[in-house]
Amino acid sequence: GAGVSQTPSNKVTEKGKYVELRCDPISGHTALYWYRQSLGQGPEFLIYFQGTGAADDSGLPNDRFFAVRPEGSVSTLKIQRTERGDSAVYLCASSSTPGEETQYFGPGTRLLVL
Amino acid sequence: GDSVTQMEGPVTLSEEAFLTINCTYTATGYPSLFWYVQYPGEGLQLLLKATKADDKGSNKGFEATYRKETTSFHLEKGSVQVSDSAVYFCALSDRHSGYSTLTFGKGTMLLVSP
Repeated sequence: GAGVSQTPSNKVTEKGKYVELRCDPISGHTALYWYRQSLGQGPEFLIYFQGTGAADDSGLPNDRFFAVRPEGSVSTLKIQRTERGDSAVYLCASSSTPGEETQYFGPGTRLLVL
Repeated sequence: GDSVTQMEGPVTLSEEAFLTINCTYTATGYPSLFWYVQYPGEGLQLLLKATKADDKGSNKGFEATYRKETTSFHLEKGSVQVSDSAVYFCALSDRHSGYSTLTFGKGTMLLVSP
């Protein structure tokens, strides 16, 4: 079946603008995760959803970052007043259940803030 | 907090050479351990995993053994191919109440020449 998909694949924006990044998890997967991968680094956890609710948002760097998953499937990561330091690849992952430790990753959205 | 340390790359090998990529971890408890691979232009793919001490994960000729006494999970392959050129990430599962998140190392680039 289809894997995790993310759109757009690339996003260029100007400092101060608002951006939305979309993730479509594997069908039927109830757990969804967002990670951020800066250049030369491994992915870092941002937020975890179980169903529609954000069960753990401890990795969000500040209140400019917000994510939703209103129907328990597609999720959107929203970044307000973007800064150059937000430039990174944003990865989405899903797993079949919260207790399943294996996560399946999407191809990522490469965000560049000019 | 939990952390993962990988050997720095790039690791440069000739085809058919033996590969070792070192990975050590620091964790409270006994996490599951993973190797993910990122081929050029693609997303993270699970390569192999081990869930408890002395378990050996294997896939596509790659192997790694969960060593609790040395807190290590080194990746090995007996004979690499040009197609193995990629970035390899070691990761551990941070277990929370009812779910897990992943903590990654910085990644090790492998370059295999014909």
